[in-house]
Amino acid sequence: DTGVSQDPRHKITKRGQNVTFRCDPISEHNRLYWYRQTLGQGPEFLTYFQNEAQLEKSRLLSDRFSAERPKGSFSTLEIQRTEQGDSAMYLCASSLPGLAAMAQYFGPGTRLLVL
Amino acid sequence: KQEVTQIPAALSVPEGENLVLNCSFTDSAIYNLQWFRQDPGKGLTSLLLIQSSQREQTSGRLNASLDKSSGRSTLYIAASQPGDSATYLCAVGIDSNYQLIWGAGTKLIIKP
Repeated sequence: DTGVSQDPRHKITKRGQNVTFRCDPISEHNRLYWYRQTLGQGPEFLTYFQNEAQLEKSRLLSDRFSAERPKGSFSTLEIQRTEQGDSAMYLCASSLPGLAAMAQYFGPGTRLLVL
Repeated sequence: KQEVTQIPAALSVPEGENLVLNCSFTDSAIYNLQWFRQDPGKGLTSLLLIQSSQREQTSGRLNASLDKSSGRSTLYIAASQPGDSATYLCAVGIDSNYQLIWGAGTKLIIKP
């Protein structure tokens, strides 16, 4: 399978716990994006990487959120001290650079439920 | 600040009908506009991408138009089928890094 993969697909946690999600992009894609989608809404941009560099972060990404892409391949998104408001679908996408970045390819998402 | 609105939020039509989904945006300075499909439990699939210099794109039974001056795009689906049932989202690219601003989607149900 050469698509974008995300792990886990579902995560249930208790408020206050830390969670980490992983995204594996399409192998030749050097851009990687994270989005958050709540029920009945469109995705909201969180952050994106070009190779290992995190180039932009949304103000939605509070200090409890951290994203890394240490070797320019897979990426992790960690949420510390989770809150019920963090419950959402977390989507990852990847793309080629330049004009080809118009086409973002999405993974299946990780659905987080904070109790 | 760019805002994207999709109307209606939900639509149910009999199989075989032609239908139009609407997307509007507040700032005409966009780089591109895309239509995506989202199925339950699955990620987003890009259907059509219209660059800012283009007026429309077609793929099979789908046709998307873009009118930047009025801040509108439409997705036309011809001869709808039950397999077209999904949520359709519109997203505009707002900068040279193609950061996307999304509408909330239209949930489409095609009745057999």
